[in-house]
Amino acid sequence: EIVLTQSPGTLSLSPGERATLSCRASQSVSSSYLAWYHQKPGQAPRLLIYATSRRATGIPDRFSGSGSGTDFTLTISRLEPEDFAVYYCQQYDNSPWTFGQGTKVDIK
Amino acid sequence: QVQLQESGPGLVKPSETLSLTCTVSGASFSYNYWTWIRQPPGKGLEWLGYIYNGGSTNYNPSLKSRVTISVDTSKNQLSLNLSSVTAADTAVYFCAKGGYPSFWGQGTLVSVSS
Repeated sequence: EIVLTQSPGTLSLSPGERATLSCRASQSVSSSYLAWYHQKPGQAPRLLIYATSRRATGIPDRFSGSGSGTDFTLTISRLEPEDFAVYYCQQYDNSPWTFGQGTKVDIK
Repeated sequence: QVQLQESGPGLVKPSETLSLTCTVSGASFSYNYWTWIRQPPGKGLEWLGYIYNGGSTNYNPSLKSRVTISVDTSKNQLSLNLSSVTAADTAVYFCAKGGYPSFWGQGTLVSVSS
């Protein structure tokens, strides 16, 4: 099973700041099969990025993804109030598909 | 527009079988992955398994063969059965479309308690 480790656990930032979230895999993941979501309390997760760097429909361009192999990054260029949430990475390369444990982005 | 709606009992007794359905509109079961994911209260996401193209399934081995996913195309429903449940199976259960789901149900909380 591929274990995804996200860091930091919590990121405290102000609106307008840049956020950089990390997702490290226990073994190599094809860049075609790494996704990012965010989730707000009481809601289902929302797909942000798939195939490492492709934005999902309707996702603003302040969200970008990068990486390869075992190290992947989600960057939010300028935080908007609606971006404060928990972020998860997911690999769907090897079964069982797995999620990271999450990074909470909260308001400083 | 694709919409998914989970339904089922909110309380299940230990050792019994948890059964949920997901009613789908706006999409076909053909040539799509349909996935079940759960989230224990205050915790992260766990992938349970998928059914592809209405027939091929793949399950998380951590569930030790307790899980079954199926579709009923006549009712546009996706189903999840999880047998021999314990308190550790208490979670919000989501159905979703896709391997990297872009469409999700709103989730349904299932508690396991006597």
